[in-house]
Amino acid sequence: QVQLVESGGDLVKPGGSLRLSCAASGFSFSDYYMIWIRQAPGKGLEWIAYIGSSVDIVDYADSVKGRFTISRDNAKNSLYLQMNGLRAEDTATYYCARSYGVIINWYFDLWGRGTLVTVSS
Amino acid sequence: QSVLTQPPSVSAAPGQTVTISCSGSSSNIGKYYVSWYQQLPGTAPKFLIFDNDKRPSGIPDRFSGSKSGTSATLAITGLQTGDEAVYYCGTWDASLSGGGVFGTGTTVTVL
Repeated sequence: QVQLVESGGDLVKPGGSLRLSCAASGFSFSDYYMIWIRQAPGKGLEWIAYIGSSVDIVDYADSVKGRFTISRDNAKNSLYLQMNGLRAEDTATYYCARSYGVIINWYFDLWGRGTLVTVSS
Repeated sequence: QSVLTQPPSVSAAPGQTVTISCSGSSSNIGKYYVSWYQQLPGTAPKFLIFDNDKRPSGIPDRFSGSKSGTSATLAITGLQTGDEAVYYCGTWDASLSGGGVFGTGTTVTVL
């Protein structure tokens, strides 16, 4: 079955850290770009990080640059998001999604169900 | 912060047609392909349209996309109660900060 399953969401205090995971199955994970997209409660979508099919292409939205790190392990068909220095405004459901690339291929044909991160004291 | 503007809501009776606009600029929609996503209540977004007007397999032809200049449009014909959802447009942006951008989202209500 072609799917993405996120995990790792939790309640964390401001300034804390969290690592999200996304397990891929049913497709050739190493062939695709992967993206983390988040959605604050009642709000719209915001891409926050992407990583190329190999690991040498990464980029981040300004809102998380320097605090979050995206990575992948193609041998384990897994995507990760290390989140440090968490702030209240990082509270959101975090989705991992599959893409064919960036710029002209910037669309997401497969999404996980999401994992909720709550940052609160 | 969304740089693509969508109307907050649109509505129509079952069987009717709704159109959702997505307004951008020359650095995003004016330059790159647009995609569309449907988010049913309490679920993850679902892929609807790519490359402005192409439907992935499994998406009914009641959903269609178009682009003109710096705006894009999603049309839903033969509206059904199951189409009640929030719809988002998305594209790349070539501005200094770069990266992808999404629209503000439009809630479709079937009357």
